[in-house]
Amino acid sequence: AQSVTQLDSQVPVFEEAPVELRCNYSSSVSVYLFWYVQYPNQGLQLLLKYLSGSTLVKGINGFEAEFNKSQTSFHLRKPSVHISDTAEYFCAVNTGATGNQFYFGTGTSLTVIP
Amino acid sequence: DTGVSQDPRHKITKRGQNVTFRCDPISEHNRLYWYRQTLGQGPEFLTYFQNEAQLEKSRLLSDRFSAERPKGSFSTLEIQRTEQGDSAMYLCASSPTGMRTDTQYFGPGTRLTVL
Repeated sequence: AQSVTQLDSQVPVFEEAPVELRCNYSSSVSVYLFWYVQYPNQGLQLLLKYLSGSTLVKGINGFEAEFNKSQTSFHLRKPSVHISDTAEYFCAVNTGATGNQFYFGTGTSLTVIP
Repeated sequence: DTGVSQDPRHKITKRGQNVTFRCDPISEHNRLYWYRQTLGQGPEFLTYFQNEAQLEKSRLLSDRFSAERPKGSFSTLEIQRTEQGDSAMYLCASSPTGMRTDTQYFGPGTRLTVL
């Protein structure tokens, strides 16, 4: 079975500091990887996705993620966070073995402290 | 607003009652998904439709759950004889073509509380 592990359930960080949210996946086949953000009382919104090509993917709101096949990781980073980045972040994987099923991690709650 | 909409946003029901949720996807999106999200967990796949055809169902979807997309536009998710374990956020998402590379666009969810 496919799985996605988000190693940190909660990440507090001061405003304007850098942040990294970790995501590891288990799959022996090619994968498509996604990061979604969920603001309070809102639906999930795509931040970025890795499909192929360059392993460094840039997304919205200054976020980026790096696909590392050897470490089966897809960590999300931002060099300087804002209060408005406070939200729940979900990593998701879609592999050919699962058809069109997405497997989501348990989420990381990012809290930006003023 | 042309995003995915869900109705109702909140539903409180007593154990044993039936409930039905509606999802309106983005216009002309062929693929529609249903997920369930419980507290502290990520969304779990339930089922998806390609137009009006239900192509895949998770084993999480017991026989008390049924989903339809009769005209390939909106979809309904019905839960019969609700149990307290059904309490969760039910999310709907749509995507343009159903390709694995598609972005899924999520609605705000319906929060179900079973008393």
